[in-house]
Amino acid sequence: DQQVKQNSPSLSVQEGRISILNCDYTNSMFDYFLWYKKYPAEGPTFLISISSIKDKNEDGRFTVFLNKSAKHLSLHIVPSQPGDSAVYFCAASEPGSQGNLIFGKGTKLSVKP
Amino acid sequence: NAGVTQTPKFRVLKTGQSMTLLCAQDMNHEYMYWYRQDPGMGLRLIHYSVGEGTTAKGEVPDGYNVSRLKKQNFLLGLESAAPSQTSVYFCASRSFPNKGTGELFFGEGSRLTVL
Repeated sequence: DQQVKQNSPSLSVQEGRISILNCDYTNSMFDYFLWYKKYPAEGPTFLISISSIKDKNEDGRFTVFLNKSAKHLSLHIVPSQPGDSAVYFCAASEPGSQGNLIFGKGTKLSVKP
Repeated sequence: NAGVTQTPKFRVLKTGQSMTLLCAQDMNHEYMYWYRQDPGMGLRLIHYSVGEGTTAKGEVPDGYNVSRLKKQNFLLGLESAAPSQTSVYFCASRSFPNKGTGELFFGEGSRLTVL
């Protein structure tokens, strides 16, 4: 059973508008959440993370929101740019010192000029 | 600044053949991982290592073996390849105890096709 779910396989947004990518999780013991971005034929690259004790983390155009009671996080990209077109993976860190990451299936974002 | 390097980038195998994927990192990271990515399945952990000489099973370990004889290298082996192992394989590494951000550094991927 999936512990990290990204229910939208794809999202299309107009350039300059806000992109909102969603992620749900089932394990309340996850202690960190991360977003990775992946372009075709490249490896995923780290984008932004948030600790489970925070509810918001911002880095430039990217903001991640965490709602622990709902077991939901979202990534906001404002303003969206065509170069943001990629697959975005949500990941959660398992509790414990090893903290293996569990990934969602990804959401393909297309930003139209 | 190489980061994480995977070889080969592409490989076509016949069912039953064996092969080894090599991952090398130059960041002196303790932890290394092998993931596979399949359409609609995201990234799934095959095996991982928390240090030289150690390995552990991930979510989908069957049909694969790994070795971490040197800190900088993590090898993924397929002893008898099956079509179900057609996938893109990603190696990743991270330092310890940088669990705070959990940031993984990924290689560019190795595309394996088993006929």
